[in-house]
Amino acid sequence: AQKVTQAQTEISVVEKEDVTLDCVYETRDTTYYLFWYKQPPSGELVFLIRRNSFDEQNEISGRYSWNFQKSTSSFNFTITASQVVDSAVYFCALSEERGDTGGFKTIFGAGTRLFVKA
Amino acid sequence: DTAVSQTPKYLVTQMGNDKSIKCEQNLGHDTMYWYKQDSKKFLKIMFSYNNKELIINETVPNRFSPKSPDKAHLNLHINSLELGDSAVYFCASSPVSGGGEDTEAFFGQGTRLTVV
Repeated sequence: AQKVTQAQTEISVVEKEDVTLDCVYETRDTTYYLFWYKQPPSGELVFLIRRNSFDEQNEISGRYSWNFQKSTSSFNFTITASQVVDSAVYFCALSEERGDTGGFKTIFGAGTRLFVKA
Repeated sequence: DTAVSQTPKYLVTQMGNDKSIKCEQNLGHDTMYWYKQDSKKFLKIMFSYNNKELIINETVPNRFSPKSPDKAHLNLHINSLELGDSAVYFCASSPVSGGGEDTEAFFGQGTRLTVV
C-alpha cells in the first residue's frame, strides 16, 4: 500500500536555525515520484520539488536542500538559516503508477507545520 | 495571469443546498484534480480528469460530482451539502497523468466551504 508519513506535526525554531522536515514513504513500485509542497498562511499550495525514484542525487536550491535515500525510504527536506517567511505547512507527497486504470495516484503526508520565530 | 484559478474563494451555505465550485487552468495541462483539505490540514484527492475521462475516483460520496466541459475546466458540484463537507477544496492540474517527468501538480488558491 502507498503511504507517506511525516512524523513531525509541528516544529518551532528561531530564525537562522537550520531545520529538517522528515518524510518517510512506503511503496511497492520501482517507479514513483516524490514531491514537497509548501502551504503558507495565505493557504495556497506551492510546488517546491519533484524527484523520481531513479534519481537519488541530492538537490540544493538556495537555502533549501533535499536528501533522498531509497535505502531508508526517506525524502527529507532541510531549510538552512531559516527565516520567518519560511513559516508554513510543508507537505510531502508520493505518486506511483496505478495498476488498474493507468495513470498515477498521488497521496500526501499529513504535513508538518513549521513556525520560525524572529 | 493566474495559472490555476478557482471560484469562489469563500463559500458559506446552509445544509441541504447544492453548490458548485469552478476551476480553470490556462497551462494547457492534460489532467485536472480536486483535493479536499480538512480541518487538520490533511489533503486527500477526490477526483482527477484526463482529457475528459475520470481516471481516479476515491471513496467520495456520490453527492460530489466533477464536471469537465473542456480540458481547461473541471468544476465540482456538491448536492445536499452536509456539515462534514466543510473544508478547503483545492483544484489542481498537471501536464500528464502518468509517466514522464512532468507529474507535479499546480494548485489553485483553494475554496473554503463552510456549511452551516
